[in-house]
Amino acid sequence: DGGITQSPKYLFRKEGQNVTLSCEQNLNHDAMYWYRQDPGQGLRLIYYSQIVNDFQKGDIAEGYSVSREKKESFPLTVTSAQKNPTAFYLCASKDVGAGRTDTQYFGPGTRLTVL
Amino acid sequence: AQSVTQLGSHVSVSEGALVLLRCNYSSSVPPYLFWYVQYPNQGLQLLLKYTSAATLVKGINGFEAEFKKSETSFHLTKPSAHMSDAAEYFCAVSDLTGGGNKLTFGTGTQLKVEL
Repeated sequence: DGGITQSPKYLFRKEGQNVTLSCEQNLNHDAMYWYRQDPGQGLRLIYYSQIVNDFQKGDIAEGYSVSREKKESFPLTVTSAQKNPTAFYLCASKDVGAGRTDTQYFGPGTRLTVL
Repeated sequence: AQSVTQLGSHVSVSEGALVLLRCNYSSSVPPYLFWYVQYPNQGLQLLLKYTSAATLVKGINGFEAEFKKSETSFHLTKPSAHMSDAAEYFCAVSDLTGGGNKLTFGTGTQLKVEL
């Protein structure tokens, strides 16, 4: 089955620690995205990547970092510089080839809690 | 920059009643518009999308939405609500202007279905 997987589903972290969230897709999509979701605020874009070895900051990139070494993988690191990291994190991917319809497909999410 | 406004953060309907979730957008160019549904602690699932073809778009689970350029609206409707429709619904607009093909989301509407 093609799709997007995120792991772990639940993650607990102590203040001051970095943590990495995994996102893998086997849809052969070029573009991948990371969003943060907080109650009542919708989804806010953290980082996105349209091609391997390239990525751009979204609206709330401070305190986060990403890498895109492989087409199918786009891990997100939440650093200790992120002042309020407790949130639900969603990864998405999209086909950017000819005939694209701009549809983003989402993974199941990771809920990060800072203790 | 594009934006999306969803009127009503919480909507409550009786089972069998009409569902109407409102979405207004701002865009300087013809947009692509999307409705997604999210069940608790899950990712987003695409309900339907408008990509400049027919203005009345039919989606999954009996939902449909009508693109009205004059009103800059893309309201989501379903003739008869079912208990399984209880979820959070997000409207999104695709930003084709700045590169990156980003989605801008509304803040979401929580739909409650009562017996």
